[in-house]
Amino acid sequence: ETGVTQSPTHLIKTRGQQVTLRCSSQSGHNTVSWYQQALGQGPQFIFQYYREEENGRGNFPPRFSGLQFPNYSSELNVNALELDDSALYLCASSFAGQGKDTQYFGPGTRLTVL
Amino acid sequence: DQQVKQNSPSLSVQEGRISILNCDYTNSMFDYFLWYKKYPAEGPTFLISISSIKDKNEDGRFTVFLNKSAKHLSLHIVPSQPGDSAVYFCAASLTDSWGKLQFGAGTQVVVTP
Repeated sequence: ETGVTQSPTHLIKTRGQQVTLRCSSQSGHNTVSWYQQALGQGPQFIFQYYREEENGRGNFPPRFSGLQFPNYSSELNVNALELDDSALYLCASSFAGQGKDTQYFGPGTRLTVL
Repeated sequence: DQQVKQNSPSLSVQEGRISILNCDYTNSMFDYFLWYKKYPAEGPTFLISISSIKDKNEDGRFTVFLNKSAKHLSLHIVPSQPGDSAVYFCAASLTDSWGKLQFGAGTQVVVTP
């Protein structure tokens, strides 16, 4: 059983650029959630994808978008990067219906916006 | 609007003693609560959870207590071990928002020999 993986590990971008972060879900999982963790804060829910459809969104602007693929891997896209987008981005995968405590997190991607 | 709050950013405890981490929430509709543990350069790891229909859940050295009237939960670690040194996050969710967790800011626990 493989765990949740994310790429890249670290990324540096400049303000106004676009970025794509990737997540590979744990084998057998059909749901992925993305979170943003700013320094000194807890993770903030961005959105969730279930069977390739967005299934709920947190308080993030539309320039944050995502995709989930048939193999349940996922992407987080952020357009028009701002300095405040600098954070650790975490994805978590789970199997819908298996219980609320079965979210498995990846190690995260550290994004720095200059 | 921070609906889940961990007011103690850090906690230092001696090895073998009890660690008590606290968490408060404001949304009375939350019905499921979780604790995650995070080491540097790793993602959060699930520790223990509790449903709002219970007031206590135990798993080995970890016990979570829920006081719904006070909108308060706590995590007890007994006995504390050096490997428990990490950041602990409290999280909450709603029945119809499964998987969309709201996290507190975390408490850094340091277990000293």
